[in-house]
Amino acid sequence: DVVMTQSPLSLPVTLGQPASISCRSSQTLVYDDGHIYVNWLHQRPGQSPRRLIYKVSNRDSGVPDRFSGSGSGTDFTLKISRVEAEDVGVYYCMQGTHWPFTFGPGTKVDIK
Amino acid sequence: QVQLVESGGGLVEAGGSLRLSCEASGFIFNTQYMTWIRQAPGRGLESLSYISGNSDYINYADSVRGRFTISRDNSKNSLYLQMNNLRAEDTAVYYCTRDPRLTDYWGQGTLVTVSS
Repeated sequence: DVVMTQSPLSLPVTLGQPASISCRSSQTLVYDDGHIYVNWLHQRPGQSPRRLIYKVSNRDSGVPDRFSGSGSGTDFTLKISRVEAEDVGVYYCMQGTHWPFTFGPGTKVDIK
Repeated sequence: QVQLVESGGGLVEAGGSLRLSCEASGFIFNTQYMTWIRQAPGRGLESLSYISGNSDYINYADSVRGRFTISRDNSKNSLYLQMNNLRAEDTAVYYCTRDPRLTDYWGQGTLVTVSS
């Protein structure tokens, strides 16, 4: 199975400051159709996960433009340009290229 | 708007069975692959199974293969997960999601607790 690792696992942030989460896969993630199926999800306490970014860098509708995704090969990054209070929670990267599709362990973001 | 509503979770003894359901709305159900994902405390998120729109393509994670069966009824816009021979380690919140590669929509989840 593809192993997705994330760092850091805990990220205390200051409101208004940038934040960055790294995700690394144990294999390259280019699917037969040429796309890289790496998604980023956000889960607030007591809620189900919500997708923010799909196929590495595409932002979902309604997701603020302070969120951006990038990466290639086996290294991927989620960046928040200016953290707001509503951004707290756990962020997961996920690969949808090789079955079974797998998730990173999560990065818990909270406010300092 | 897309909605996915899971039901059927509960408390069951080890070795028992449960059938989860997911009712979908807001999109053309029979054209979409669907998937079940679970989230157990301390074990993160795990993709369990997916099924194509016409049920021709089905796959399972090794952890549930032979014990769980995914199915769908397109006339009812519903997805199912039959879970047999349940183990303590199957205790988790179970989510149905649309599109296993993209996981663009998630239900609210249903809690399954397996007592040993």
